Formats: sequence, C-alpha cells, structure tokens
Amino acid sequence: RKEVEQDPGPFNVPEGATVAFNCTYSNSASQSFFWYRQDCRKEPKLLMSVYSSGNEDGRFTAQLNRASQYISLLIRDSKLSDSATYLCVVNLVSGYALNFGKGTSLLVTP
Amino acid sequence: DGGITQSPKYLFRKEGQNVTLSCEQNLNHDAMYWYRQDPGQGLRLIYYSQIVNDFQKGDIAEGYSVSREKKESFPLTVTSAQKNPTAFYLCASRDRGGANYGYTFGSGTRLTVV
Repeated sequence: RKEVEQDPGPFNVPEGATVAFNCTYSNSASQSFFWYRQDCRKEPKLLMSVYSSGNEDGRFTAQLNRASQYISLLIRDSKLSDSATYLCVVNLVSGYALNFGKGTSLLVTP
Repeated sequence: DGGITQSPKYLFRKEGQNVTLSCEQNLNHDAMYWYRQDPGQGLRLIYYSQIVNDFQKGDIAEGYSVSREKKESFPLTVTSAQKNPTAFYLCASRDRGGANYGYTFGSGTRLTVV
C-alpha cells in the first residue's frame, strides 16, 4: 500500500473554476502535511503547510482530516498560471524524510 | 540570497561510469536529502543526512553513495552498479528541528545514460 496516494488526473478546468484535490495517507502517526507545486521539468516548491484547523492562503485552502487520514487542497478562481502538478507531502516523524505522493496534474484552460 | 545549488543542470554518463552530482546550500540547514524522480513515479528517497558525518539510506539507495563532510555540502555519486540511472535528481534541505517546515529544493540535475 502506498503511503501517500493521489488521483493523478489530469484535471482540466476552465479559468475561474473551483477545483479540489484529495490525498490519503496510510500512517496515522504522521505529524505534518504539505502541498507542493511542481511545474514541468522544474523542482517542487512549497505551496502551503496543512494544519488541523484548516488554513487559507489567498485562493488556496488546505484541510486536514486526521480521522479519515486525508488532506485536501481547494483552488478557487483558477488562473492559467495555476497549471502544474500538485504534490501531497506527509512527514511521519520529526527528523525523518518527507513522503511524496505522485502528484495530481492540473490544466487550466482559457 | 540563501538557497541550494545543484550542479550540473544536465549530465550525460556512459555505461560503466561513476558520476557525482553536487549539492551545496547556504541556508545553514542541518538536514539534507537526495531524491530521484522518474515520470509517473513521484519522488523517491535515495539518501538523507541529519548532521555532518552521518547519513542514512532511503528507499532506493542501491547503486548510490553519498558523503557529508561539511554542513553545506551533500554530494551524490551514481555508481556503475545503478542499472537505470537516467532520471531527474533533486537535492533538498531543511532545519533539523523543522518537522513543521517543508523542504527547500535545488533546481535539480537531469542525468542521462548514453
């Protein structure tokens, strides 16, 4: 069983649409959670951390459900520049390496 | 500005050769990591190091070696024992106590076997 699972997509949405990605993780002891964005042939970049209470950064909202072991990312008012792969990332224990999902591909079209 | 520098950006290796990928950071981070990314595979952990002169194998360490002689540097050697080395290699770092913080990544090295 994969530790971090995501729907690979692709999600094709028009500009201005709202799109949501989900991610599940297998280890209930996981401590910290992140969403990264990766553009084609580039390195991943931290989009936002995910907190139990949920958190928002502009058009992006992240939620964590520890009971169901899933994480979500909501993007409102999609822009063409949001087209990228979104990686769900989980940290099992402090000091250990991060576990990455395979990513969900988003294409925002005019 | 602080950051992580990986070099070279592109690297071509002949069959049977060892090659070394450079990773240098000036963020004063304790922990450093090497990942490999293949299409459709996501990022897989090769090696990581929490402190100088110490490192641990990740999920796919076979055919790779590392050293951590300085806090700033964590080079990765791809040996001839690695049978399928063509991939995108990413180096990352973070504060050792920064469990709630994500990584900073370098811009990566694309290795191709010719």
